[in-house]
Amino acid sequence: NAGVMQNPRHLVRRRGQEARLRCSPMKGHSHVYWYRQLPEEGLKFMVYLQKENIIDESGMPKERFSAEFPKEGPSILRIQQVVRGDSAAYFCASSPSLASYNEQFFGPGTRLTVL
Amino acid sequence: AQKITQTQPGMFVQEKEAVTLDCTYDTSDQSYGLFWYKQPSSGEMIFLIYQGSYDEQNATEGRYSLNFQKARKSANLVISASQLGDSAMYFCAMRGSNDYKLSFGAGTTVTVRA
Repeated sequence: NAGVMQNPRHLVRRRGQEARLRCSPMKGHSHVYWYRQLPEEGLKFMVYLQKENIIDESGMPKERFSAEFPKEGPSILRIQQVVRGDSAAYFCASSPSLASYNEQFFGPGTRLTVL
Repeated sequence: AQKITQTQPGMFVQEKEAVTLDCTYDTSDQSYGLFWYKQPSSGEMIFLIYQGSYDEQNATEGRYSLNFQKARKSANLVISASQLGDSAMYFCAMRGSNDYKLSFGAGTTVTVRA
């Protein structure tokens, strides 16, 4: 049973370009969460999605950031017109349900560097 | 809203000794879960141990144990018999029973010395 997959693992973009980060949850998991980790900090929640629905995007900046989890295919976190402050590690996690005892299984992360 | 505090930015421990990582939390939820994750230098997040707020016994997983003191709102991680491979950043996190997002502390860096 493959774990949570994220790609690319490393992504370099110049200011103003778009970044697309992909996340395939574990098999059987329908809940996906995106977190951002700035250098020397803990992870901060960005958005929670279920298939075809955004449930909570309260942690995601209103401008330039969007997320989706289509019926088929991976979840996508999209950052338009990237700026240097977007440089961070972006982690995706998945879980089979909402119960608090369910751990969220994390992917390896995508490290975004904005030049 | 949940808040997690890890007051130790970095710790050194001698190989084969035990180390305790502090974690305190604040929540108004009656039911919640507490988690510890390990982040080695390679960057991935590795789940270590879970404690439910209604669990009467402290959680243990191999060399990891969680010292849960509910009244003090603390959930310290104890790593026994430290190994060089334990050198990493450790994060405490929590989630309310009606919540879905994990709230993380700032982390503690552990360096194991030979």
